[in-house]
Amino acid sequence: KNEVEQSPQNLTAQEGEFITINCSYSVGISALHWLQQHPGGGIVSLFMLSSGKKKHGRLIATINIQEKHSSLHITASHPRDSAVYICAVRYMDGGSQGNLIFGKGTKLSVKP
Amino acid sequence: GAGVSQTPSNKVTEKGKYVELRCDPISGHTALYWYRQSLGQGPEFLIYFQGTGAADDSGLPNDRFFAVRPEGSVSTLKIQRTERGDSAVYLCASSPSGNSYNEQFFGPGTRLTVL
Repeated sequence: KNEVEQSPQNLTAQEGEFITINCSYSVGISALHWLQQHPGGGIVSLFMLSSGKKKHGRLIATINIQEKHSSLHITASHPRDSAVYICAVRYMDGGSQGNLIFGKGTKLSVKP
Repeated sequence: GAGVSQTPSNKVTEKGKYVELRCDPISGHTALYWYRQSLGQGPEFLIYFQGTGAADDSGLPNDRFFAVRPEGSVSTLKIQRTERGDSAVYLCASSPSGNSYNEQFFGPGTRLTVL
């Protein structure tokens, strides 16, 4: 079964801390997404990557294709970063090209 | 420009009733996806449209669920004989095409509560 595992499930940090959220998947993928979901349900795409590393502001996403692992880092965390961060992948399984398979999310709370 | 919109934002219905959930994708996006997110879980795939046709409906849980996209833009997710277990946030996303490397843009979701 194709699965996406995220860790930790919950994370509490103090403002200013460096944060890492991890994502592991089981078979070859064509793309991996990091998404942010705020209370109320709206989902925003942060990154889409298939190799290497991407950076946007204080957010950095890396992926290691050989190890089937990705990390999302937040530098100098701020209370407004509090949200659920979701990892999602598209598998290269020859089936549907369309759908994403999601992890259960990591709930981040940054305290002032 | 306008993003993906979904209506209604909230829907409360009684067990056994029929509901329709609407998704307006970003103009020009040919690919449209429906996902369902239960409390405390990540979203789960329901159905994917490429244009007017359902390219993959393998995520629909049973035959009470059906979706259409007759003109290749707006899509409606239809749920017959609703059950309490159908309560969830239903998310719609669109992308320029079904290419694996296209980003998906998500709507705000419709929160369905079945009493």
